[in-house]
Amino acid sequence: SYVLTQPPSVSVAPGKTATMTCVGTNIGSGSVHWYQQKPGQAPVQVIYSSSDRPSGIPERFSGSNSGNTAALTINRVEAGDEADYYCQVWDRVIDHWLFGGGTKLTVL
Amino acid sequence: QVQLVESGGGVVQPGRSLRLSCAASGFTFPISTMHWVRQPPGKGLEWVGFISSDESNYNYADSVKGRFSISRDNSKSTLYLEMNSLTIEDTAVYYCARDRGDGSFDSWGQGTQVTFSS
Repeated sequence: SYVLTQPPSVSVAPGKTATMTCVGTNIGSGSVHWYQQKPGQAPVQVIYSSSDRPSGIPERFSGSNSGNTAALTINRVEAGDEADYYCQVWDRVIDHWLFGGGTKLTVL
Repeated sequence: QVQLVESGGGVVQPGRSLRLSCAASGFTFPISTMHWVRQPPGKGLEWVGFISSDESNYNYADSVKGRFSISRDNSKSTLYLEMNSLTIEDTAVYYCARDRGDGSFDSWGQGTQVTFSS
């Protein structure tokens, strides 16, 4: 079965750039979506269709997807960005949806 | 604005059944594909299943197939998750989510907790 692999944790200093990856076989051939989840809250979509931002999401958030790796990048990281981040894909052939294991972003 | 409100969670004994509801408002529910996603305590997100706008298409994660059933009442703008033969591994916060139309989830409810008593 298809697997999405995310690093368990990423740490970054305020004002720097954080990059979180999502690895899956040939993931670049489809769309990847990203969600931010803060403790005790529901997930919030931050990127859809690999690189589009929903309304209300700061331009500091961007996404890319090529080959076997998708990435979520947060520029000028703020303390409020500290959260768990999940990637997600849709397998249209079997109508299954899949999440990566999530990355905990720590702002130092 | 889009609002999804789950209810029906609680404490249940293994082997029993439970029905969750998700009341939708602020958008045209009858034309929206809907999903259930769950999150065990301290763990990541797990997709549970989906149902198309007219109920003609649906599917479930292997972990719940044959035990869980998703339905909807478009006249009431409400989504349901019928859970049978529950096990301790079903302990989680259960979220309903709207499909943007591209296989992503653009709106989520606040979740409802399902836990087990011994």
